[in-house]
Amino acid sequence: SQTIHQWPATLVQPVGSPLSLECTVEGTSNPNLYWYRQAAGRGLQLLFYSVGIGQISSEVPQNLSASRPQDRQFILSSKKLLLSDSGFYLCAWERTGEAFFGQGTRLTVV
Amino acid sequence: KQEVTQIPAALSVPEGENLVLNCSFTDSAIYNLQWFRQDPGKGLTSLLLIQSSQREQTSGRLNASLDKSSGRSTLYIAASQPGDSATYLCAVRDFGNEKLTFGTGTRLTIIP
Repeated sequence: SQTIHQWPATLVQPVGSPLSLECTVEGTSNPNLYWYRQAAGRGLQLLFYSVGIGQISSEVPQNLSASRPQDRQFILSSKKLLLSDSGFYLCAWERTGEAFFGQGTRLTVV
Repeated sequence: KQEVTQIPAALSVPEGENLVLNCSFTDSAIYNLQWFRQDPGKGLTSLLLIQSSQREQTSGRLNASLDKSSGRSTLYIAASQPGDSATYLCAVRDFGNEKLTFGTGTRLTIIP
C-alpha cells in the first residue's frame, strides 16, 4: 500500500532562518506531488506541484521554493523565513485521480 | 476559474441524527470530486472520490452524490457519532488540470 511521510511534525524557527521540509511517498511511482499551506481559519492554498523529477510549478509568488530531487521526494525550502510564513504545511500525492495527504508540519516563525 | 463553496461553515447536530453537508462549484467541467475529513492539527483523510461519470459513492455510513449540471455535491452522514466531529472539505479537479480546488470546509460537531 502507498504511504506518505512528512516531517517534522512541528517546527519553530526564527525570522530570517532557513527552512527545509521533506515529504516522501512509498508504494507508488511517478506520482504528482503537491505542497499546500493552510493558514488559521483559511482554506488550503496550493504552493507548488510537480508532475516529475525536476519539474516544479509555482502557484503563488513568495520566498518559498520547492525541489523534487527524486521521483518520490518533494522538498519545500526557504532561504530566509518571514513571520507570514507561519502556518500548517501539507504534502500530498496523486497518481490515479485521488489525492492523499501527509500529516502536516506546523511551522511557527518567531 | 473554478470556485468551490461549502455552506454552512459550521454545523452542530445531536448524536444519532442523519445530516447532509453541501459543496457547490462554479465550473461543471470537472474530472472528479473528492471529500476529505480533517481532524484538528492533522492532515486530510480521503473519504470518497466521485468520478465525473458517477452519480454517487458510498463508504459505510457515508454517501456522496454528484450533480454536475447544477454544480453540486452532497455528503450524507447517517446515524452521526461523536467521532464524526471534524472539518469536512470538498475538492474538485478540472479536466486537464493536475490541481485540486478546495472549499473552505464545514466544521461539524456531533453533540453526545
